[in-house]
Amino acid sequence: EVQLVESGGGLVQPGGSLRLSCAASGFTFSSYWMSWVRQAPGKGLEWVANIKQDGSEKYYVDSVKGRFTISRDNAKNSLYLQMNSLRAEDTAVYYCARARRVGATIFPYFDYWGQGTLVTVSS
Amino acid sequence: AIRITQSPSSLSASTGDRVTITCRASQGISSYLAWYQQKPGKAPKLLIYAASTLQSGVPSRFSGSGSGTDFTLTISCLQSEDFATYYCQQYYSWYTFGQGTKLEIK
Repeated sequence: EVQLVESGGGLVQPGGSLRLSCAASGFTFSSYWMSWVRQAPGKGLEWVANIKQDGSEKYYVDSVKGRFTISRDNAKNSLYLQMNSLRAEDTAVYYCARARRVGATIFPYFDYWGQGTLVTVSS
Repeated sequence: AIRITQSPSSLSASTGDRVTITCRASQGISSYLAWYQQKPGKAPKLLIYAASTLQSGVPSRFSGSGSGTDFTLTISCLQSEDFATYYCQQYYSWYTFGQGTKLEIK
């Protein structure tokens, strides 16, 4: 059974930093793209970042470029999101998702999601 | 950026009904569209990818169709567990999610 368990969320002041983690199990982690997707309270879904199986390709939504860094440790079956210079608008539940590429597009869709971790940016 | 217009934003229906949700893309996205179901306080769940391919384990009362710019999700014979919010998502060029459709019990 595929399991994704996020951790590391919490309350942080504007300008602060936080590191999210996602522990994966039930599948060969090193064989899949992985992603972070967020959802502001009461709002819709927003993709944040993707990382290729070996970490050689990373993609970000424009609003987090230069502030967030996605990374992975295949030996530990873990995905990370380092978030710096946090803003109030980064407040959201952050989901870790397994991603699958099918067809000619370079962008994978998300077939399994974790339960999410809440990040609140407020003074 | 590709825009996605999802409609309706909310929908009231009864168990046993057939419902349809629509997504329209601002430009052609071939069949690179997925549908997700989300229940309150829970993570999204993939229902359909490639516009019409049912994810493993998803009941056959869910179906998707369309290509290019116009797509539909149909739920035939609604069950109580289907009342949730549904999102479409294009993955042809970067990502765009629809605004969501909240399916409520009439």
